[in-house]
Amino acid sequence: EADIYQTPRYLVIGTGKKITLECSQTMGHDKMYWYQQDPGMELHLIHYSYGVNSTEKGDLSSESTVSRIRTEHFPLTLESARPSHTSQYLCASSEPGPRDTQYFGPGTRLTVL
Amino acid sequence: TQLLEQSPQFLSIQEGENLTVYCNSSSVFSSLQWYRQEPGEGPVLLVTVVTGGEVKKLKRLTFQFGDARKDSSLHITAAQPGDTGLYLCAGAAGSARQLTFGSGTQLTVLP
Repeated sequence: EADIYQTPRYLVIGTGKKITLECSQTMGHDKMYWYQQDPGMELHLIHYSYGVNSTEKGDLSSESTVSRIRTEHFPLTLESARPSHTSQYLCASSEPGPRDTQYFGPGTRLTVL
Repeated sequence: TQLLEQSPQFLSIQEGENLTVYCNSSSVFSSLQWYRQEPGEGPVLLVTVVTGGEVKKLKRLTFQFGDARKDSSLHITAAQPGDTGLYLCAGAAGSARQLTFGSGTQLTVLP
């Protein structure tokens, strides 16, 4: 069982606000990921990190930014939220080895009014 | 970019019936995972398969990885309402071995 946490679980904010979605894991995993998912749909990778001070953009273009100052922490920031950012944001980490299995947090459901 | 197609997209069945969900691609994957996701939650790992032809059983769920490692199937025997959820397959490929997710199968098991 993986220990990966996301806060807040739900967030409703107005347009133009700056927000940070938190993600922490206690397994010491080097690889961490952020996905965006609309209800009942597939996951789209927006950011990933292979270790401290390493961040890359994923396949889906996103106006968000991420940082990786500590192994266990991988926050995602939106400088100016818009209604088009309304979605579920999922954080994941993966263990080393050939299986590439990812473990997910519970997600943050973001609504921008 | 690898693409994974899942079918069917939606499936509604009665309790006790059997079902199979398919995950297909033209790409070869080094590993493939199946996840189940409930509304408002993150995906939960069911199984990882890495060897072509591999079959794994998890109680009433049977997972198979194709011989060529391009496709996979999930078979549920005697489905129960607790099996209801979004089933996602995800394959790892390329030097970075990032996961590509399928579009998901929304399963509803009616009592």
